[in-house]
Amino acid sequence: GNSVTQMEGPVTLSEEAFLTINCTYTATGYPSLFWYVQYPGEGLQLLLKATKADDKGSNKGFEATYRKETTSFHLEKGSVQVSDSAVYFCALYDSGTYKYIFGTGTRLKVLA
Amino acid sequence: NAGVTQTPKFRVLKTGQSMTLLCAQDMNHEYMYWYRQDPGMGLRLIHYSVGEGTTAKGEVPDGYNVSRLKKQNFLLGLESAAPSQTSVYFCASMAQFTGELFFGEGSRLTVL
Repeated sequence: GNSVTQMEGPVTLSEEAFLTINCTYTATGYPSLFWYVQYPGEGLQLLLKATKADDKGSNKGFEATYRKETTSFHLEKGSVQVSDSAVYFCALYDSGTYKYIFGTGTRLKVLA
Repeated sequence: NAGVTQTPKFRVLKTGQSMTLLCAQDMNHEYMYWYRQDPGMGLRLIHYSVGEGTTAKGEVPDGYNVSRLKKQNFLLGLESAAPSQTSVYFCASMAQFTGELFFGEGSRLTVL
């Protein structure tokens, strides 16, 4: 079946540091890939997406590239801010089964 | 500007009691999903629906039932609550064209 694996957290960084959160997936077909962010006490909201191999999703300084050869979709940001502190979820959508599967989430804490 | 609305937001149950969580969306989306969020487990898919009158099992469906009698509503039922069902429950609906999930604010359920 489909699955998503994320790096364990929490991740603690100083402001302006470089961020990488690893995400790999297992899927039988060609899923769409997403990163969602959850701020305290809220539901998840879409951060970025990629729908096919080699696509790069980007938003608010965050980027992720759909790598079919390594089945990965790692999230990166060149310079994090305190306001980026949140939980980040990698997810895939399988249009064959209509299932939308999430990873376990990675908590990011950015210190001033 | 409602989007996805979940009720109730908080509930405490005793073991063996039943209850229903209601999810309502006003975006005319076909696809709707119920997840539970537990520490260290991320979001796990309970049940989902791809249209009015249809439902399907997700990753952790045992102990839950769902109904989608109207397109805008997706109900999650617990017939006989157990402490293992203590969790935060999220409902989401999907914009099919973009693949983006829109989440409710969550419902925190405690089973004593």
